[in-house]
Amino acid sequence: GDSVTQMEGPVTLSEEAFLTINCTYTATGYPSLFWYVQYPGEGLQLLLKATKADDKGSNKGFEATYRKETTSFHLEKGSVQVSDSAVYFCALSGSYGQNFVFGPGTRLSVLP
Amino acid sequence: DTAVSQTPKYLVTQMGNDKSIKCEQNLGHDTMYWYKQDSKKFLKIMFSYNNKELIINETVPNRFSPKSPDKAHLNLHINSLELGDSAVYFCASSRRGTYNEQFFGPGTRLTVL
Repeated sequence: GDSVTQMEGPVTLSEEAFLTINCTYTATGYPSLFWYVQYPGEGLQLLLKATKADDKGSNKGFEATYRKETTSFHLEKGSVQVSDSAVYFCALSGSYGQNFVFGPGTRLSVLP
Repeated sequence: DTAVSQTPKYLVTQMGNDKSIKCEQNLGHDTMYWYKQDSKKFLKIMFSYNNKELIINETVPNRFSPKSPDKAHLNLHINSLELGDSAVYFCASSRRGTYNEQFFGPGTRLTVL
């Protein structure tokens, strides 16, 4: 079945450091790919998405590119802030929209 | 306006009790979901309803029963609560289709004593 793998956390960075959180997936067909963010005590919020190969999703300084050849959707940000501290989830929606799969989440802590 | 709302936000109860969590969405979506998030933040889908019909029922105990009175509501009823049911439960909704993201509620933290 479809699956999503993320790098294990926690990830701890200093403010203004470069962030990469790796995400790879296994799916049949052409899934859509998503990054969600969960701030402490809150529900998940969509951060960005990409619906076809080579699409780049971006929001709030975060970017991720849908790479079909490497089945990856790595999340990047050039300069993190303390307010980016949260848990980040990579997810996919299967070809027929019937199977939404989340990765295990990566906790990010940004220190001032 | 709140897109996906859940009540209550916190629920503390004794083992063996029966409880319900309510979810409502005002986005006009036709698919709603329940997820369980454990202490390590791992998300597990429990149920999915599309137009009031169950389309996913992962291997959850039959003590958990979803009820959807209409496509804007998906409630979760839990019988005979156990310690292991303690978790955060999230409701979500989406339009059906590959491209459509899910919108999440704020979560209900259930603690079983």
